[in-house]
Amino acid sequence: AQSVTQLDSHVSVSEGTPVLLRCNYSSSYSPSLFWYVQHPNKGLQLLLKYTSAATLVKGINGFEAEFKKSETSFHLTKPSAHMSDAAEYFCVVSDQGYSTLTFGKGTMLLVSP
Amino acid sequence: EAQVTQNPRYLITVTGKKLTVTCSQNMNHEYMSWYRQDPGLGLRQIYYSMNVEVTDKGDVPEGYKVSRKEKRNFPLILESPSPNQTSLYFCASSPLSPGALPEQFFGPGTRLTVL
Repeated sequence: AQSVTQLDSHVSVSEGTPVLLRCNYSSSYSPSLFWYVQHPNKGLQLLLKYTSAATLVKGINGFEAEFKKSETSFHLTKPSAHMSDAAEYFCVVSDQGYSTLTFGKGTMLLVSP
Repeated sequence: EAQVTQNPRYLITVTGKKLTVTCSQNMNHEYMSWYRQDPGLGLRQIYYSMNVEVTDKGDVPEGYKVSRKEKRNFPLILESPSPNQTSLYFCASSPLSPGALPEQFFGPGTRLTVL
């Protein structure tokens, strides 16, 4: 079975400080993993994806994530937060043989000046 | 421009009045899906379709219907809406490939309020 747990419902950072959004997954086979971002009153935009190539994945807007199979984690990081990063972030898993994506419940990132 | 479109974007209706939310994609994708988004619950899948005339239930299908008569369109039908279907709805599409599903492309969302 596939499942995703986002460990924090809210994360608050100051502008210019690092961002860490945590995601753990459960998968039976070789998963694909994604991070999507949703800005207020907007649709979902793909930030980055892991599909069994390099374990360190770089995405848009300076975000990156590292796939760690031993820890079943796919945490999202950014070295320096910007005010425009304030949004909700979703970790998503897709497993081989499954016809569906499973979304985490989301992490709201708050960025203060 | 490659995109997924949904109509209407906003809808307020009353309990029991049938409604349809349309979804169309111009990327020739085989896979299409409907999700609802509720605060604190993330996105939950309602129905999906692997190709024309092939549909299947997701996690929360009760109270919804879908059809896939053409590859590009995947309408969501609420035969008798109830207040607990008040939500933000997203349509998405993706190509099919061997192995796990690739990333999906999302429409802009439809905010539905059922009074």
